[in-house]
Amino acid sequence: DTGVSQDPRHKITKRGQNVTFRCDPISEHNRLYWYRQTLGQGPEFLTYFQNEAQLEKSRLLSDRFSAERPKGSFSTLEIQRTEQGDSAMYLCASSLTGTRNTGELFFGEGSRLTVL
Amino acid sequence: QKEVEQNSGPLSVPEGAIASLNCTYSDRVSQSFFWYRQYSGKSPELIMSIYSNGDKEDGRFTAQLNKASQYVSLLIRDSQPSDSATYLCAVRTNAGKSTFGDGTTLTVKP
Repeated sequence: DTGVSQDPRHKITKRGQNVTFRCDPISEHNRLYWYRQTLGQGPEFLTYFQNEAQLEKSRLLSDRFSAERPKGSFSTLEIQRTEQGDSAMYLCASSLTGTRNTGELFFGEGSRLTVL
Repeated sequence: QKEVEQNSGPLSVPEGAIASLNCTYSDRVSQSFFWYRQYSGKSPELIMSIYSNGDKEDGRFTAQLNKASQYVSLLIRDSQPSDSATYLCAVRTNAGKSTFGDGTTLTVKP
């Protein structure tokens, strides 16, 4: 498999619970991005990594959200004390850097979160 | 004001017509510009990128960039029903993240 994979694809949880999503990028891609998308809106930037370093995090992102990429390969996005407003599709994307960096993002199929 | 704005649509064109999609952006230091297509229930996929002023053609798709006007457009010639999707404009600065508009939904009627 050469694409970006995300797990789980769907998650239903109760308000106040914690959830964690995993993303495995394309193997040679050293940049990894997390976006959130709700119906009728474009993807909203959350954070991104270059290798294991988190280079930017959205100023709008609540402290309940945390992301890691401990070994520069897969990444996890954790949401603590979920709220109904967290219900969305969480998209992971990866890209190359350096001279081969065209800026193109390769997206996974997303993890859909429903908070009851 | 949103950083990237697109016509909200929806846009409906007959099969074989030209579909025109527009996008404006606010950050003058933006360097790279992209059009992604997103089918309902699917993830975005890149269809065009453009980095310098002017036109860039790829098959039935033409992207146009005017940095002075902070304007990007996408033309789809000979529109097909399979082109029915939401088209997302994305803008990237040298910092690396891409900022997306809310998309324009296109319907091509047979």
